[in-house]
Amino acid sequence: TQLLEQSPQFLSIQEGENLTVYCNSSSVFSSLQWYRQEPGEGPVLLVTVVTGGEVKKLKRLTFQFGDARKDSSLHITAAQTGDTGLYLCAGAINTGGFKTIFGAGTRLFVKA
Amino acid sequence: DTEVTQTPKHLVMGMTNKKSLKCEQHMGHRAMYWYKQKAKKPPELMFVYSYEKLSINESVPSRFSPECPNSSLLNLHLHALQPEDSALYLCASSQGRSRGNSPLHFGNGTRLTVT
Repeated sequence: TQLLEQSPQFLSIQEGENLTVYCNSSSVFSSLQWYRQEPGEGPVLLVTVVTGGEVKKLKRLTFQFGDARKDSSLHITAAQTGDTGLYLCAGAINTGGFKTIFGAGTRLFVKA
Repeated sequence: DTEVTQTPKHLVMGMTNKKSLKCEQHMGHRAMYWYKQKAKKPPELMFVYSYEKLSINESVPSRFSPECPNSSLLNLHLHALQPEDSALYLCASSQGRSRGNSPLHFGNGTRLTVT
């Protein structure tokens, strides 16, 4: 069974601090995606990483895909209260067609 | 606003009721998904349709019955549910299942309560 382990599961920080969320697996993924979900809404895609070692930046968010395509990280610089939400990593695995499985999620709370 | 529309937003049903959840997308996507999300948990895959054919059933109990009438619509028929089936049911779509980097586009879900 392929598993995506995400850590930490909960993070409460002050505005302006930096943070990193990790997503690890023993399996190789064709791609890893990061989503953000707010209460009462569905997850919204932030980024897809495909190539081992790839780094993508989205304003204050930096996403990295591990060289072996088994892990990924999300780094937020100078967190803002608007960053509060549930961050989910998700991996695409090929089972005769791809399906997407999710990590447990990181619930981030940024205090003013 | 999401490009995947789910109705209803909220549903309360008894254990003997029959109801249906509906999902619609007009992005030309050929894969559609049902996920179940319990409170404080990640989405769990239930069903996948590819080109209107059921391609994955993640051992979901038969009281949940999916249907894909056409490439834009996805239904989930509910019958004889249990209180533990109460959850947020999310529909998603993607361009297809043949590419591993095709992201999911989610609707905002149906909040289901079984009494």
